[in-house]
Amino acid sequence: QQPVQSPQAVILREGEDAVINCSSSKALYSVHWYRQKHGEAPVFLMILLKGGEQKGHEKISASFNEKKQQSSLYLTASQLSYSGTYFCGTEKVEETSGSRLTFGEGTQLTVNP
Amino acid sequence: NAGVMQNPRHLVRRRGQEARLRCSPMKGHSHVYWYRQLPEEGLKFMVYLQKENIIDESGMPKERFSAEFPKEGPSILRIQQVVRGDSAAYFCASSPLRTSIGTGYEQYFGPGTRLTVT
Repeated sequence: QQPVQSPQAVILREGEDAVINCSSSKALYSVHWYRQKHGEAPVFLMILLKGGEQKGHEKISASFNEKKQQSSLYLTASQLSYSGTYFCGTEKVEETSGSRLTFGEGTQLTVNP
Repeated sequence: NAGVMQNPRHLVRRRGQEARLRCSPMKGHSHVYWYRQLPEEGLKFMVYLQKENIIDESGMPKERFSAEFPKEGPSILRIQQVVRGDSAAYFCASSPLRTSIGTGYEQYFGPGTRLTVT
């Protein structure tokens, strides 16, 4: 079952913050975040595992609430380069060798000067 | 250190022709995943393969679509008798073997093949 992302779209001015949420009705093992610019491939941002710690690099961080089966992506002091569509991909089943990701519909983020 | 490679980047086929999309995973990666993305939509899982083995093809249409990952050479997604509805971007991703429970893995995407059926 596909995770639900919110909001569907957000417009920011450079320097503002944003939060993107990803919710699932199924128990999750991991959540993966990607950013995709128009006409390009999705670029891996980070992965959060069940029982793991909040991850982050630079001004982008994320958390994973196992009880709520929800992950949030935090973008602080946004830059123009942050513009794009953000997808969360969820993995339901823990397998020893890897498994498929089910992606949300995406959140379109636009950062204006 | 080459990333995931896909070719061709753009492919135009007439209705009824066959389309072959190729994917070479990152060095050291043993898993390949194929996803389809329709315009303005999200990524939909199609199939997951290891060398000479299809692990999960639950997202693949039952007819006209097939995938393989031979012992030597790239993974191939094959679409027979293409129809206009097959027009989409097809992305391949690869990941390393997960060696222990409780660890994560990252899927890295290739640049995609944009298939247009006329």
